[in-house]
Amino acid sequence: SYVLTQPPSVSVAPGQTARITCGGNNIGSKSVHWYQQKPGQAPVLVVYDDSDRPSGIPERFSGSNSGNTATLTISRVEAGDEADYYCQVWDSSSDHPGVFGGGTKLTVL
Amino acid sequence: EVQLVESGGGLVKPGGSLRLSCAASGFTFSSYSMNWVRQAPGKGLEWVSSISSSSSYIYYADSVKGRFTISRDNAKNSLYLQMNSLRAEDTAVYYCARGPAGPYYFDYWGQGTLVTVSS
Repeated sequence: SYVLTQPPSVSVAPGQTARITCGGNNIGSKSVHWYQQKPGQAPVLVVYDDSDRPSGIPERFSGSNSGNTATLTISRVEAGDEADYYCQVWDSSSDHPGVFGGGTKLTVL
Repeated sequence: EVQLVESGGGLVKPGGSLRLSCAASGFTFSSYSMNWVRQAPGKGLEWVSSISSSSSYIYYADSVKGRFTISRDNAKNSLYLQMNSLRAEDTAVYYCARGPAGPYYFDYWGQGTLVTVSS
């Protein structure tokens, strides 16, 4: 089955740019989606189809996807961005197509 | 406003069964794929199952296939997950989530219901 690999943690100072990667075999050929989850809350979709943002999500959140790596970029990081972030794909070639990465804890220093 | 409200969680013994429900409102339920995603305590998200808008297509994670059954009732705006032969590793918060363009991603999530499998 398809595997998505994320770094366990990323740290960044307020106002700086955070980049969270999601690795997968030829992931550039798939659509990647990103979710933010704060403690005790349900996940929230922040980027879909590699780089689109749902309404209400700040422009500071952006995504890219090429080759074997997809990236969620958070510009001008704020304290409120501290959360777990998960990438996800739908592997249509699999009988078990829903796949999440292991998650990345973003710490705002 | 889109709302998804899960119910039916609780404490069950290994080998037991439980049926989760998800009540949907604020959108045309019959037009959307629906999904279950779970999260074990302190762990990451795990996709469990998806069902297309008309129930024509159903998918399961390998970890639950043959034990769990997803279904929906479009007349009642409800999604279900029948869970049989429960194991300790099924202990998790179970989220109901909407799939806006097929099951490919999940744009709205419920608050989840906790299932604990323990003797």
